[in-house]
Amino acid sequence: DSGVTQTPKHLITATGQRVTLRCSPRSGDLSVYWYQQSLDQGLQFLIQYYNGEERAKGNILERFSAQQFPDLHSELNLSSLELGDSALYFCASSVVGQGTGELFFGEGSRLTVL
Amino acid sequence: GESVGLHLPTLSVQEGDNSIINCAYSNSASDYFIWYKQESGKGPQFIIDIRSNMDKRQGQRVTVLLNKTVKHLSLQIAATQPGDSAVYFCAENNEGGYQKVTFGTGTKLQVIP
Repeated sequence: DSGVTQTPKHLITATGQRVTLRCSPRSGDLSVYWYQQSLDQGLQFLIQYYNGEERAKGNILERFSAQQFPDLHSELNLSSLELGDSALYFCASSVVGQGTGELFFGEGSRLTVL
Repeated sequence: GESVGLHLPTLSVQEGDNSIINCAYSNSASDYFIWYKQESGKGPQFIIDIRSNMDKRQGQRVTVLLNKTVKHLSLQIAATQPGDSAVYFCAENNEGGYQKVTFGTGTKLQVIP
């Protein structure tokens, strides 16, 4: 158990809909990351937050947004969903300042868009 | 558990043999290079990292080699066990303390009992 909790584990929805994925980082970790894992593209970095502020942005679509709350949990919002958004979405957290690249991943939220 | 179902290169190794998984990276400015293991239905799990000013680092049954001249990273697993069957990803950390970790394409390791 990594200590990172993601909900829901599975989600099935229709095109055009909006969903919210939730992540609770490990106790004490200030930094949260979101990754998308699909069949074709492996693990794609979406966005990173540190203590409530956005720190780095990857290939995140404009239809997607995220935030980190004062209690450090994070939410990834996916809107106007398309079939191609079907994927595993992972959240990870880390001890910022360590600098090594060791991230602790949750077990992911599997999104299926029909 | 559910499978990610990625279309990945596969390395098949006999149980007890050594495994070598290779990775080419792109960013010469990366501070750390990392290997992650992803078992079916789970999130990636950190295995070992190496700082950019080193060329070799050993862990428990694993060794990572870094060749900056050709931008090549490898993971060696000694005495491969069935529990080592997983997808292995190399990754780069290139944002210093804020850790922007970028993953490479993975390799599926299949251990034959």
